[in-house]
Amino acid sequence: SAVISQKPSRDICQRGTSLTIQCQVDSQVTMMFWYRQQPGQSLTLIATANQGSEATYESGFVIDKFPISRPNLTFSTLTVSNMSPEDSSIYLCSVSWQGNTEAFFGQGTRLTVV
Amino acid sequence: QKEVEQNSGPLSVPEGAIASLNCTYSDRGSQSFFWYRQYSGKSPELIMFIYSNGDKEDGRFTAQLNKASQYVSLLIRDSQPSDSATYLCAVKGGYGGSQGNLIFGKGTKLSVKP
Repeated sequence: SAVISQKPSRDICQRGTSLTIQCQVDSQVTMMFWYRQQPGQSLTLIATANQGSEATYESGFVIDKFPISRPNLTFSTLTVSNMSPEDSSIYLCSVSWQGNTEAFFGQGTRLTVV
Repeated sequence: QKEVEQNSGPLSVPEGAIASLNCTYSDRGSQSFFWYRQYSGKSPELIMFIYSNGDKEDGRFTAQLNKASQYVSLLIRDSQPSDSATYLCAVKGGYGGSQGNLIFGKGTKLSVKP
């Protein structure tokens, strides 16, 4: 397994602003993912954070809205840009290794946009 | 559209009973299967994973996989009130360019009554 530190744990933001969420892992991982969990819903994959290259976004998510960085094998950031109340959600960082192995989650960032 | 289906519940069982949670998936190319437990306000916690047809037991938990029927289940024996949570079924693999990420079901809410 891995120890995954996600910051901030929660934030309340004004609409139109941006928030950057950090995910730090205590060991090198092959894959890092960003998920969104809206109230009462399951997890939806936003994108796969690729080390040294542009992230791979899922349908319905775009780089301008959710820019992602992954400068190395232990760290990634997700920015939620130009926020609106509809962006209020829990954002989760997940890590995994190549092959049929399990994935682990950070503690999540609870974002409220007012 | 790749899908993972779960009965949303709530599923209510008395303390000491067996809780049975079910999940179906649409992509026959799926390679590995996971059950996560999520307490309210917390991030998902991995309970079990299974790759091969049949049963896999870990303490009070048994995962069952039937690839021919595209069906995964989780049995919880001797259910305890502390098992009350939402259980998420997740599937990995066989999704083309997004291999490695997990596709989640909507989750089944389990309530164990004392």
